[in-house]
Parts: sequence; C-alpha cells; structure tokens
Amino acid sequence: IAGITQAPTSQILAAGRRMTLRCTQDMRHNAMYWYRQDLGLGLRLIHYSNTAGTTGKGEVPDGYSVSRANTDDFPLTLASAVPSQTSVYFCASSPEGGNSPLHFGNGTRLTVT
Amino acid sequence: GESVGLHLPTLSVQEGDNSIINCAYSNSASDYFIWYKQESGKGPQFIIDIRSNMDKRQGQRVTVLLNKTVKHLSLQIAATQPGDSAVYFCAENMMPDRGSTLGRLYFGRGTQLTVWP
Repeated sequence: IAGITQAPTSQILAAGRRMTLRCTQDMRHNAMYWYRQDLGLGLRLIHYSNTAGTTGKGEVPDGYSVSRANTDDFPLTLASAVPSQTSVYFCASSPEGGNSPLHFGNGTRLTVT
Repeated sequence: GESVGLHLPTLSVQEGDNSIINCAYSNSASDYFIWYKQESGKGPQFIIDIRSNMDKRQGQRVTVLLNKTVKHLSLQIAATQPGDSAVYFCAENMMPDRGSTLGRLYFGRGTQLTVWP
C-alpha cells in the first residue's frame, strides 16, 4: 500500500543521546516535511524539503537537522536530545508542496528522559 | 508571526446533528486551506481543501466555507456520526520562499469533536 512509513513507532531516549527518526515515502512526492505535535500546540513545522537535495527551516528547527539525499527518504536527526524534544513526530509528503494536501505517516512517539 | 487559530478547543454534538468547526487565520496572502481529521494514535487525514478563489466547497457530508473578508474558515459536517469523533485541524498555505513556487502548510491547534448518542 502506497504511503509514508515512519520508524521507530516509539522510542525512549536518554538526554544527550543522538537519534535519527526515519521517514520513507513511495509516492514519488517532491515535497516532504517533519512536524512535531504537542498537546495544546497542534502541529508545528520543524523542517521541510521541496525537492531532493534541498531543505529549509520551519517554525521550530532548533536542535534538529534533516537531509534529503533522494526523493523517497527524509530522516530527522536530533544531535543531542533534550527533554523538551519529547513529542510525537509526524513525517508528511505532498506532490506540490503547500499547494496540495499533505499525506502523513502514523508518527513516532519520542520520550527524552 | 502570523498563524492559524481556532475559536473552540472542544465541541460536543449529538449523533445526527450538524457540526460546525471554525478557524481564524491572519495571513491575508494565504491562498490554500485544508481541513484534516486526526484520530487517536494516527496521523492527520485529509478531509477537504479550498483555494482562495472559492467561497465554498462540498464533499461527502462535509462543506468548507471560506470568508476572506474576515479571514475565517469553517468546516461543516452533516449528520454527524460517532466515527466523526476526532481532532480537526485547519491548515493554511504560507507564502513560498523567494525563488520557490512551493508554499508550506501551517496548522492551527485543533478542535476536539465528540459525538454522543
């Protein structure tokens, strides 16, 4: 079934550790996104990529980095995790950036202790 | 900065009634809007979208209304069912970066819709 796959589903991570959240899509969409979702704050954009080889910062990029080596993969890295990064992370993709609906994965629940 | 917001954080309706979820946006340059539904433990699901050259768009049991004068967006759900219980988000397409034709979607905080029998 076509869509977005995120891994892991959930993770408990010690503060200071490095972590990469994986995201893969098989729809050949140009644009990909990472959002974090916190209670009462909705979905906030972390980083995005309009096409392979390019990335950009969203609303809350600090402490996160991304890469887009190819069309299908868009990993999100926390270089040194902090408790405030405890959240649910959603990866999304769209064929035409913000001009078309985003397709979301089922999220990664990350707890930083 | 400009952001998308919601009037009500929670909405409770009886099964069979119509539901109306509201959203205010402040970016007058936004030209594309989407409503998403999110069930517990899942990612947001697309419901319906509307572009700024339209005032109304209808789908199956859902209607989105756009009032650009007051920067207001609403989602109407007809004959609400228990399966409609979820959090509903509106999103707006922010202006793209210089040199890019692709905008980015920013989301409101969400409204929890609860349908009771």
